[in-house]
Amino acid sequence: GENVEQHPSTLSVQEGDSAVIKCTYSDSASNYFPWYKQELGKGPQLIIDIRSNVGEKKDQRIAVTLNKTAKHFSLHITETQPEDSAVYFCAATYGTGNQFYFGTGTSLTVIP
Amino acid sequence: GAVVSQHPSRVICKSGTSVKIECRSLDFQATTMFWYRQFPKQSLMLMATSNEGSKATYEQGVEKDKFLINHASLTLSTLTVASAHPEDSSFYICSARTSGGARMNEQFFGPGTRLTVL
Repeated sequence: GENVEQHPSTLSVQEGDSAVIKCTYSDSASNYFPWYKQELGKGPQLIIDIRSNVGEKKDQRIAVTLNKTAKHFSLHITETQPEDSAVYFCAATYGTGNQFYFGTGTSLTVIP
Repeated sequence: GAVVSQHPSRVICKSGTSVKIECRSLDFQATTMFWYRQFPKQSLMLMATSNEGSKATYEQGVEKDKFLINHASLTLSTLTVASAHPEDSSFYICSARTSGGARMNEQFFGPGTRLTVL
């Protein structure tokens, strides 16, 4: 089955700096890669996703890049703000109806 | 769009009580819903996959007689924790997967249910 690894497990940045979280996956059949943000005591919220037919996607301060050859994808947050502090999870899946395989999460702290 | 609700958000019960958690997709139809359990500072642990009109598929190690799942309609799935014990205390999260359209195959999570068994 698919194996998703996520790094780093914790990340602290100064407000205004950029944050990068990286994930690798093992199954070359995976073709959908979402990123979720989870605040304390809440369910994960989809913040951005990318499909295997594109290499990069951007939504305001958030971007995701995908390298299919190397089987890794990354989340980039620019101009970080304190409200970006949360746990971020990456995931990978393929086809339709299949389960999502989640990374172990990254706890991001943005220091004011 | 793509809102998933979960009820209740928090429940405290005595040991031996059965607890029912509802998961609803409010603005889309979800042929597949997932139930997760999350321990503090850990990732999401998939418990079972629920398909509308059929039996749920449980992950290895998850007791199907303990965690009863019913997916009776395209917008509602329920998880019942039968005869709950303190070790069942956890954060339970459901998700619903879109089944068509431009946002096909996306998964949206409910806000979670904090279960505390005394």
